[in-house]
Amino acid sequence: DVKVTQSSRYLVKRTGEKVFLECVQDMDHENMFWYRQDPGLGLRLIYFSYDVKMKEKGDIPEGYSVSREKKERFSLILESASTNQTSMYLCASSFPRETDLSWYFGPGTRLTVL
Amino acid sequence: ELKVEQNPLFLSMQEGKNYTIYCNYSTTSDRLYWYRQDPGKSLESLFVLLSNGAVKQEGRLMASLDTKARLSTLHITAAVHDLSATYFCAALFVMYSGGGADGLTFGKGTHLIIQP
Repeated sequence: DVKVTQSSRYLVKRTGEKVFLECVQDMDHENMFWYRQDPGLGLRLIYFSYDVKMKEKGDIPEGYSVSREKKERFSLILESASTNQTSMYLCASSFPRETDLSWYFGPGTRLTVL
Repeated sequence: ELKVEQNPLFLSMQEGKNYTIYCNYSTTSDRLYWYRQDPGKSLESLFVLLSNGAVKQEGRLMASLDTKARLSTLHITAAVHDLSATYFCAALFVMYSGGGADGLTFGKGTHLIIQP
């Protein structure tokens, strides 16, 4: 019954490394999202994608990029990881609003940048 | 820009008591979500509220929506320890003017501790 999966639960990287976080959904959703979660700040939107190869910036895109080559897969890329990118990263997916009410979240990736 | 404010951000209460978490949002939104998050876990969907006056209940939790006041509440009745968690509200907004892509803006969460 797994719907949204993320490639790693825990990840430790060094400053300056290029980091890839992968998200896969098996529900044929058009929309996919990357959020980061920090204590006291809630969830903040980094990037979203509404179709293959389409992407839009969210509220905090600086230092991140994304890739969506296939409908089911949405990747978040940290070009040069920094310590302030230590966080919990959550992927989500959904249908357009007319189709379905539900949003599905992945289990999260806790990234530590040393 | 849609902003969502929750209060309180931290709540410690005793079992058996009632309490309410408030969620205000700044601009029109036609859908309001409530989620629960346990430590180290992802988000678990609790309620989706669609229209003014909507009320949904599941066990000891009841959520309501007043779109005119841009306010949603999550009421806890006769709290039990198992309800200890962080609760988030989130409002839906249109992100892409071409239609079809909506995003969720989240509140900062209410960290709820229920003590025996």
